[in-house]
Amino acid sequence: DADVTQTPRNRITKTGKRIMLECSQTKGHDRMYWYRQDPGLGLRLIYYSFDVKDINKGEISDGYSVSRQAQAKFSLSLESAIPNQTALYFCATSDPLSYEQYFGPGTRLTVT
Amino acid sequence: RKEVEQDPGPFNVPEGATVAFNCTYSNSASQSFFWYRQDCRKEPKLLMSVYSSGNEDGRFTAQLNRASQYISLLIRDSKLSDSATYLCVVPHSGAGSYQLTFGKGTKLSVIP
Repeated sequence: DADVTQTPRNRITKTGKRIMLECSQTKGHDRMYWYRQDPGLGLRLIYYSFDVKDINKGEISDGYSVSRQAQAKFSLSLESAIPNQTALYFCATSDPLSYEQYFGPGTRLTVT
Repeated sequence: RKEVEQDPGPFNVPEGATVAFNCTYSNSASQSFFWYRQDCRKEPKLLMSVYSSGNEDGRFTAQLNRASQYISLLIRDSKLSDSATYLCVVPHSGAGSYQLTFGKGTKLSVIP
């Protein structure tokens, strides 16, 4: 079984809809991250969390919110989706003493 | 200088060729560096870490030049399976954040 899972894997939604992307991990890591990837722009950090009570904004947090429900679960929400949020979204985890991050398989989100 | 800059390519090389990618970074305080590999529509995965002057793993060699603030990745005897996008990654650890800055990636296509 994969160490980091994301649901859904693909989603098409309409402008203005609320959508939640979920991430679960079995690696036992405290640190979790949400990134988006756009062609030509690379990976950009949206939010990160170092433990259940710790949430931090990343480079591009506007229009997004997160919830860390447990050590193993970190959800990303788009309160009112807009077309420029169409992207590939990755969740990642890391050990507190390591820079290495382990990525989930990604969620391809299309906002029409 | 942009935080992490890579030649986007694509690099099209024949099987068996040697190919090198360069990456420049702006944060002179960075102590460790990474190369991640990303296959088309898949998640990034750690390929190599570079903590001192360089690192070698089979056909792959990563080198670091701190004075010039660049990292290189050399692939010898290229295989078809090496076709992917290679991401240069530089951490920045202000206040223990352990965040990663990803380059936009260099695309490699190995041709039969």
